[in-house]
Amino acid sequence: QKEVEQNSGPLSVPEGAIASLNCTYSDRGSQSFFWYRQYSGKSPELIMFIYSNGDKEDGRFTAQLNKASQYVSLLIRDSQPSDSATYLCAVNTNAGKSTFGDGTTLTVKP
Amino acid sequence: GAVVSQHPSWVICKSGTSVKIECRSLDFQATTMFWYRQFPKQSLMLMATSNEGSKATYEQGVEKDKFLINHASLTLSTLTVTSAHPEDSSFYICSAPGTSGGGEQFFGPGTRLTVL
Repeated sequence: QKEVEQNSGPLSVPEGAIASLNCTYSDRGSQSFFWYRQYSGKSPELIMFIYSNGDKEDGRFTAQLNKASQYVSLLIRDSQPSDSATYLCAVNTNAGKSTFGDGTTLTVKP
Repeated sequence: GAVVSQHPSWVICKSGTSVKIECRSLDFQATTMFWYRQFPKQSLMLMATSNEGSKATYEQGVEKDKFLINHASLTLSTLTVTSAHPEDSSFYICSAPGTSGGGEQFFGPGTRLTVL
């Protein structure tokens, strides 16, 4: 079992829809959870982080964390073609060191 | 803030030569930096953790004599791929932890290495 698992996709949604990206992790001691976006040929960029159970909203993005279920998700509302990218879930189990999932590729169709 | 640069952005070299990649934190100090490698359609693979003023910590399976890491100052870490071979061709990315201490990372733009 991988430490951080994501649906590989590809996930395709129409423009304006909600995209839902999911991630599960194996280490119950995990403290910090991150979502990064990576465009093709580029390096990852941080879009959201969450530390506590519940929802955290930032613009069109909402991160959701459920530590009991070891589950973290990212919702993208009003999806735009520019959101088309690979989304990486990362979990910190040791201070400063992240374990990344394999990523979910999202395509938003105009 | 939290800008990380990398140089060069791409490099092509002949098999057997060595290539040095620089990673700089531009607007903050980084006692730790991370080096990743990413093959096409695959996720990030952590190679090593670079520590300012001390030896790097390498992940299992990464040859420390082949991938030399030096963290000479609080804003500069370098990765040298020694005696590069075609199988070393990859996208190399460095990152630095954010200053909040929360564990977020800020990535450099990456270096695409092609070994002929």
